[in-house]
Amino acid sequence: DAGVTQSPTHLIKTRGQHVTLRCSPISGHKSVSWYQQVLGQGPQFIFQYYEKEERGRGNFPDRFSARQFPNYSSELNVNALLLGDSALYLCASSLEGYTGELFFGEGSRLTVL
Amino acid sequence: GENVEQHPSTLSVQEGDSAVIKCTYSDSASNYFPWYKQELGKRPQLIIDIRSNVGEKKDQRIAVTLNKTAKHFSLHITETQPEDSAVYFCAASLYSGGGADGLTFGKGTHLIIQP
Repeated sequence: DAGVTQSPTHLIKTRGQHVTLRCSPISGHKSVSWYQQVLGQGPQFIFQYYEKEERGRGNFPDRFSARQFPNYSSELNVNALLLGDSALYLCASSLEGYTGELFFGEGSRLTVL
Repeated sequence: GENVEQHPSTLSVQEGDSAVIKCTYSDSASNYFPWYKQELGKRPQLIIDIRSNVGEKKDQRIAVTLNKTAKHFSLHITETQPEDSAVYFCAASLYSGGGADGLTFGKGTHLIIQP
């Protein structure tokens, strides 16, 4: 079985631009979470989605948004990019978000210039 | 919200020796304490976890201990090997799947195994 897949793997943007990151969960997993990992730090929770509904949101500004599709894949959108948004964005999936193990993807490395 | 502190930030040990990484958490409601290993450029991978109704859990060379009263938990790796070199993260949460608040991670420990 394929694990959590994310795209793109690397991307470079300039300040003020917009970015969309994509995630496909493990087959059968209905919950997707997004984490931001700044270099040298632990991952920080951004969102959790379950059955296309936002279940939880971390301490991130409204420039960050996400959605989940009927096939349980997800997109993370970041508007008006700042230099500080440069990070590895990790997607994780689990069966339903409360129980079971979190499985992480390899991440999307975003560089904002 | 939850806050997780992790120490040390870097740990260098001789191959074959033991390594111990310690974490403290702030929210007494937290119920689930996983440890992730992240190799350079790779995804975090769960190596062991413990729930609040258990004081200790062991899996081959890896063990985790939990002291709910003191709100701290530790990762123990015995007979370290070169492939143990990586960054290790502890985390705390109310739910194993993260739930509405997600997992709260520590800042990580870079474990270096010296040959």
